[in-house]
Amino acid sequence: AQSVAQPEDQVNVAEGNPLTVKCTYSVSGNPYLFWYVQYPNRGLQFLLKYITGDNLVKGSYGFEAEFNKSQTSFHLKKPSALVSDSALYFCAVRDMGNQGGKLIFGQGTELSVKP
Amino acid sequence: NAGVTQTPKFQVLKTGQSMTLQCAQDMNHEYMSWYRQDPGMGLRLIHYSVGAGITDQGEVPNGYNVSRSTTEDFPLRLLSAAPSQTSVYFCASKRGQGSNTEAFFGQGTRLTVV
Repeated sequence: AQSVAQPEDQVNVAEGNPLTVKCTYSVSGNPYLFWYVQYPNRGLQFLLKYITGDNLVKGSYGFEAEFNKSQTSFHLKKPSALVSDSALYFCAVRDMGNQGGKLIFGQGTELSVKP
Repeated sequence: NAGVTQTPKFQVLKTGQSMTLQCAQDMNHEYMSWYRQDPGMGLRLIHYSVGAGITDQGEVPNGYNVSRSTTEDFPLRLLSAAPSQTSVYFCASKRGQGSNTEAFFGQGTRLTVV
């Protein structure tokens, strides 16, 4: 069965420091991976995706993610965190051939960036 | 371009009441879906539709019905609300069934069943 794990419920970083939000996955076949961000009382916004090609994927708001096939990971990164990056982050994988290609979400990681 | 629009944003129901959560998208997307978000559990798929007239069950369909009479609209009906249905509900749409297309989400409906 396809699955996604986000091992940290919360990540705390100081403004200006680099940030990493971790994600590992388990799929059969090639993975299609996504990161979404949810600001308080808002819907999910798409950040970036990995389909194929370069292992380093660049997305919105200065975020990037590194796909590592051997470690089955897709960690979200940003070189310099902003207070406005504080939000809930979800990693997701596409469930190929099941329920219309539904997204399977991790449980979410709360990112807190302090000034 | 409004994207995915959900109404209402907030709702309180009594146990046993029924209601419909509305979802509309203006991007001509074929695929639409409903998720519920519960703390520590991420988002779970309730129902989905791959096109007008076609719907199917997701992971947690019990207690919910859907219909897809048009490409734009995908309402979610709670038949007889239960406290276990207290959650935040998100509607999403995406272009086609392709694996490489991202989904667009509405702003959510926060439902409390008392």
